[in-house]
This record gives sequence, structure tokens and C-alpha cells, in this order.
Amino acid sequence: NAGVTQTPKFRVLKTGQSMTLLCAQDMNHEYMYWYRQDPGMGLRLIHYSVGEGTTAKGEVPDGYNVSRLKKQNFLLGLESAAPSQTSVYFCASSPRRGAGEQYFGPGTRLTVT
Amino acid sequence: KNQVEQSPQSLIILEGKNCTLQCNYTVSPFSNLRWYKQDTGRGPVSLTIMTFSENTKSNGRYTATLDADTKQSSLHITASQLSDSASYICVVSELHNTDKLIFGTGTRLQVFP
Repeated sequence: NAGVTQTPKFRVLKTGQSMTLLCAQDMNHEYMYWYRQDPGMGLRLIHYSVGEGTTAKGEVPDGYNVSRLKKQNFLLGLESAAPSQTSVYFCASSPRRGAGEQYFGPGTRLTVT
Repeated sequence: KNQVEQSPQSLIILEGKNCTLQCNYTVSPFSNLRWYKQDTGRGPVSLTIMTFSENTKSNGRYTATLDADTKQSSLHITASQLSDSASYICVVSELHNTDKLIFGTGTRLQVFP
């Protein structure tokens, strides 16, 4: 099993450009999450999904959209990138809600100039 | 505001030595407390998960303790190895919103030969 994979690993965008980050998991997990990690701060939840076709806002959802069309995939979109969105983005999945362990992907390092 | 604070921010030890990392939290009531290890450039990997009723949990050379009364947890690493060099993150989940994980900023541990 590959676990949780993320593409791309690195990306540089200009302000105003758009892009989509892809997260895929092969563990048949119901729940998936997108976080961002910034220096000096803990990981913060952007959006999450409790099942195929569902999404919900996390702590810092502004400027991002997500979709969960297939159970194994969770996409994070930036419609108009801003320098404040420069960060490392992590996707995670878990087999059950809340108390269950979350398995993280390797991360995507995004720079917006 | 629910917070998770970790100390020290960084720590340098020699290979073979023991060390203890601290986590204080204000999340109340909480559901569980987790410790994650994050290698540079990688996603976090779970070390231990403890519910509020557990006092200690071990995973090899890693032992986590929890005092729910004082809202403190510690992670003790025994006989450190070079591969222990990483950031260690304390994470607390709220009881009434178990989808929400509150992450500490981590302790960066460096183990030198």
C-alpha cells in the first residue's frame, strides 16, 4: 500500500494563478483532511471530508475549495493564489472520525510569488 | 482559546542519551492526546494516542505520559538514536468536536553522534 500520496511535491505560482493539489489514499478511509503548516505555527485544518461527496470547512478555509468526487481522492483548489498561501500543505486520512489515527501524506511545498 | 504549548522549542542531545519533551494544553474537555514525529520534509507519523483515562503509553523507545488533572503530557525518548532527529508534535482533540485536532508547534530534536 502506498498510503497517502500527494501531487505535486513542489510548486511555484505567481499571484493570481490557480492550481489544484491532489491527495490520494489507498486505505479505503472514509475521512480525509487538508492542513497547512507554517513556520512557528501548528498545523491548521483547511477543509475536511467525512465521506465521498461531502466536504466541510475547517479552521482556515478562505481562499480554498475542495472536492471529494471519489472516496480515494481529495482535491484542494486555489482559485487565485496569494502570497499568504505560501505554505506546506498536508493531506491526511483516517478510518474513523475524531479519535481515530490520522495518516499523513508527504506534503506539497507551495510558494506564491 | 484552546491551545497546545510545547517545550522546549528545540533540543540538542548526544546519541544514547535520554530526553523528555513537554506538552501543556488548555483544551477542555478533551477526547485524546497524540504525539506525532515529523521528519524534515515529511508528513507527521503517529507515535502514541492516549484517551483522557490513560496515564501512559509506550511505543518502543518512546513513552508518553498524561496527567489530565494538570493538563500536561510528556514524551520520553530512551537511548536516543540519530534517527530520532525530528520534530515532535503534541496534538489534542476536543471532546465535543473530535474532528478538530489542535496542534502544538512542536519540539525540534537534534541527536548528534
